Amino acid sequence: AQKITQTQPGMFVQEKEAVTLDCTYDTSDQSYGLFWYKQPSSGEMIFLIYQGSYDEQNATEGRYSLNFQKARKSANLVISASQLGDSAMYFCAMRAGVGNKLVFGAGTILRVKS
Amino acid sequence: NAGVTQTPKFQVLKTGQSMTLQCAQDMNHEYMSWYRQDPGMGLRLIHYSVGAGITDQGEVPNGYNVSRSTTEDFPLRLLSAAPSQTSVYFCASSYGPMNTEAFFGQGTRLTVV
Repeated sequence: AQKITQTQPGMFVQEKEAVTLDCTYDTSDQSYGLFWYKQPSSGEMIFLIYQGSYDEQNATEGRYSLNFQKARKSANLVISASQLGDSAMYFCAMRAGVGNKLVFGAGTILRVKS
Repeated sequence: NAGVTQTPKFQVLKTGQSMTLQCAQDMNHEYMSWYRQDPGMGLRLIHYSVGAGITDQGEVPNGYNVSRSTTEDFPLRLLSAAPSQTSVYFCASSYGPMNTEAFFGQGTRLTVV
C-alpha cells in the first residue's frame, strides 16, 4: 500500500530565509511519481513540483526544489527566499500502484514571518 | 478554459438526505478522482476512475457512490448523509501517466446537520 508521511504539522520561517518541508513515502512499486501541492487559505490546490522515481537529478521549479533521497524514501520540499505569500498548507503526494492513484500526506502549515 | 468544475460550492444537508456532487472537466482527461479533506488528515481518496465506465474504490469509499458514463463527468453521490461526511470535497482530473499532475476543482464545502 502507498503511504505518505509529513511529520511537521506546522512550521515558521522568517521572510527571505529558506525552509525545508519534510516528506517520507512508502511503496513497493519501483515506478512512482512524487508531487508537492500548495493550498493557500482560499482553498485551491496548486501544483508546485514533480519528481519521478527514475529521475537522477533533483527537480527544481523557480524557488522550489525537491530534495529526493531514494534510499531514505524521502522527498523534501525546499523553498528558498521565503515570501509572505508562501504562507499556506503544503501537501506531499505520490502516484503509484494500481490505477496510478494519487495519495496525499496530512500536510504542513507554513507561516512566513516578516 | 474551464478546467475542473465542481458544483455546488457550498451545501447543507440534513442527516439521511441524499445528494450528488457534480464534477466536470473539459481537458479530455482519462483519470478522475474524488477526495475529502478533513483537518489534520490531508486529502483522502474516496473513489477514482481511469476512464469512462471504469471506477474503483479509494481509502474511504463507504457511504459514497460514483459512476463514469462519459469522459467529462464524474459525479459523487451521498446515499444517506451522516454528520461524519461533513467535509470539503475535491474533484481532480489528470491524463493518468505517472508523471502527470492532477488538476483540482475549487472544492465543495458540505455540512451535514
